[in-house]
Amino acid sequence: ELKVEQNPLFLSMQEGKNYTIYCNYSTTSDRLYWYRQDPGKSLESLFVLLSNGAVKQEGRLMASLDTKARLSTLHITAAVHDLSATYFCAAPATSGTYKYIFGTGTRLKVLA
Amino acid sequence: EAGVAQSPRYKIIEKRQSVAFWCNPISGHATLYWYQQILGQGPKLLIQFQNNGVVDDSQLPKDRFSAERLKGVDSTLKIQPAKLEDSAVYLCASRAYGISVNTEAFFGQGTRLTVV
Repeated sequence: ELKVEQNPLFLSMQEGKNYTIYCNYSTTSDRLYWYRQDPGKSLESLFVLLSNGAVKQEGRLMASLDTKARLSTLHITAAVHDLSATYFCAAPATSGTYKYIFGTGTRLKVLA
Repeated sequence: EAGVAQSPRYKIIEKRQSVAFWCNPISGHATLYWYQQILGQGPKLLIQFQNNGVVDDSQLPKDRFSAERLKGVDSTLKIQPAKLEDSAVYLCASRAYGISVNTEAFFGQGTRLTVV
């Protein structure tokens, strides 16, 4: 079955710096989702990527999808403290289904 | 638009006791999910409903977990008897169906279960 791996698992970065979180998945997938989770809170949808080459941006976050490489990236530009959270990517277990498999998560801490 | 509602928010029980969680999805959402999130891990799908039918329950420990979605709206997840390893946050999510493939799942606040 589909496996979704993220790296790094933990990321501590200074405010103002740039960094990228990587999401690899093991089998073909036509969609990829990114979620944010604050401590003790639920998951908040960030991006829905629907095709190869898709790129979406919201504020300091930009997500992209390369279905051929089975890779999605979440790029953080000029990080601010408010971005501190855990970020998850998720993909459907098989193409065309809505059974979402989540990655292990990347815990991001932005230091002032 | 109201979000996914879950109750209770927190529950502490002793091992071998039973517990039930309730979920009310976003109005009109035909697909409903129950996920288990153990501390420090990503959510793991337990069961997926489409209206009141089960689409996938391959990861549900059926000897102790059960779930139902009567009338295709609210859902309950039950654990009986609970084990220590069931301590986790149980997340309910819902998704619109048949409208667009663009729609993602929306999550509730979760129920934090502690088994002692």
